[in-house]
Amino acid sequence: EAGVVQSPRYKIIEKKQPVAFWCNPISGHNTLYWYLQNLGQGPELLIRYENEEAVDDSQLPKDRFSAERLKGVDSTLKIQPAELGDSAVYLCASSPRVGTEAFFGQGTRLTVV
Amino acid sequence: DQQVKQNSPSLSVQEGRISILNCDYTNSMFDYFLWYKKYPAEGPTFLISISSIKDKNEDGRFTVFLNKSAKHLSLHIVPSQPGDSAVYFCAASEVFYGGSQGNLIFGKGTKLSVKP
Repeated sequence: EAGVVQSPRYKIIEKKQPVAFWCNPISGHNTLYWYLQNLGQGPELLIRYENEEAVDDSQLPKDRFSAERLKGVDSTLKIQPAELGDSAVYLCASSPRVGTEAFFGQGTRLTVV
Repeated sequence: DQQVKQNSPSLSVQEGRISILNCDYTNSMFDYFLWYKKYPAEGPTFLISISSIKDKNEDGRFTVFLNKSAKHLSLHIVPSQPGDSAVYFCAASEVFYGGSQGNLIFGKGTKLSVKP
């Protein structure tokens, strides 16, 4: 069974430019999470989807971040415009049941210069 | 305010000995706990979990213990192997459908080094 797939693996952009990350969850997993991880820290939740509904986006900086999960499968996370402080690893995870084991992709390492 | 705390940033253990990683939580509504392992440049990998109705769960060399009254859980690795060297994250959630209760909340991690 294929795991969670994220792309790109690495992205370097100049500040004020837009960037998008893509996630394909494990087939059949209705719950999808986007996390942000800074160096030396644990993953911090940005948004959680149940099917196509964003059930918790309270930690998503909505002035510059947006996300969508069309048809309740793939998801895209966008930043526009990017700031230097957005440099981090962006992790996508999916779970067959909310609150239980979530399986992570390899992450996208974003560097904003 | 951190709801899940891993107070030891690092731990060094000799190969073959026991590794004990600790985690404390503050939210008494948490009822599901997980441990993840992370290698550099990879995403976290699920290791083992425990529901609040249990106080112990074992899977091979890995055992998780839960002390609800102390709001404390620990991961025991016996015997430790060099390949276990990684960052270990504790996570917790309220297994409740809907709202923010289903979110997995992570600690900051403990870096385990197992020396040959």
